[in-house]
Amino acid sequence: SQTIHQWPATLVQPVGSPLSLECTVEGTSNPNLYWYRQAAGRGLQLLFYSVGIGQISSEVPQNLSASRPQDRQFILSSKKLLLSDSGFYLCACSGGARNTDTQYFGPGTRLTVL
Amino acid sequence: GQQVMQIPQYQHVQEGEDFTTYCNSSTTLSNIQWYKQRPGGHPVFLIQLVKSGEVKKQKRLTFQFGEAKKNSSLHITATQTTDVGTYFCAGKRSNTGKLIFGQGTTLQVKP
Repeated sequence: SQTIHQWPATLVQPVGSPLSLECTVEGTSNPNLYWYRQAAGRGLQLLFYSVGIGQISSEVPQNLSASRPQDRQFILSSKKLLLSDSGFYLCACSGGARNTDTQYFGPGTRLTVL
Repeated sequence: GQQVMQIPQYQHVQEGEDFTTYCNSSTTLSNIQWYKQRPGGHPVFLIQLVKSGEVKKQKRLTFQFGEAKKNSSLHITATQTTDVGTYFCAGKRSNTGKLIFGQGTTLQVKP
């Protein structure tokens, strides 16, 4: 079964600093990949999804961007962080060889912007 | 916009009491999935329902998919402290194929 790696696990960054969060997937090929953000005590907000290398769809306007340089690598970036970017960032995958709708989530990155 | 509504947002129960969370969509769903997120953890897939009127059980958890494929419920019998967490439903839209998550129901169980 697929395994999703995310790092770092926690991150504290000053306002205006850049951001790069990485997600890699093992155990499947050609997966659909997703970035979600979860504010404290809230639901999951879909930020980006990708159906293939270089193919990124954005769900909400924001100062974040995503890239998929390799089949099983998904990167979330920002040039200048805002206070409102704080939250729990989750990478997820679905599809792949099993062509399943089920989404498998990584362990997440807790980002605090001060 | 496309939404899947989930209620209640929070639920506090005494250990041993039952618990139910409800999920409603304004449009027909191809399938519905349920996930559990423990405090401090990430969402973990529990189950998927596909057929109209489908009922599935996992030990003390009972999942139902409505006849019209627009609503679903998760019922936990005799809650335990290990049931604590946030339960999310996620519906796959029939027309777009997108998976839409509900806002989740956070369950607290008092021992």
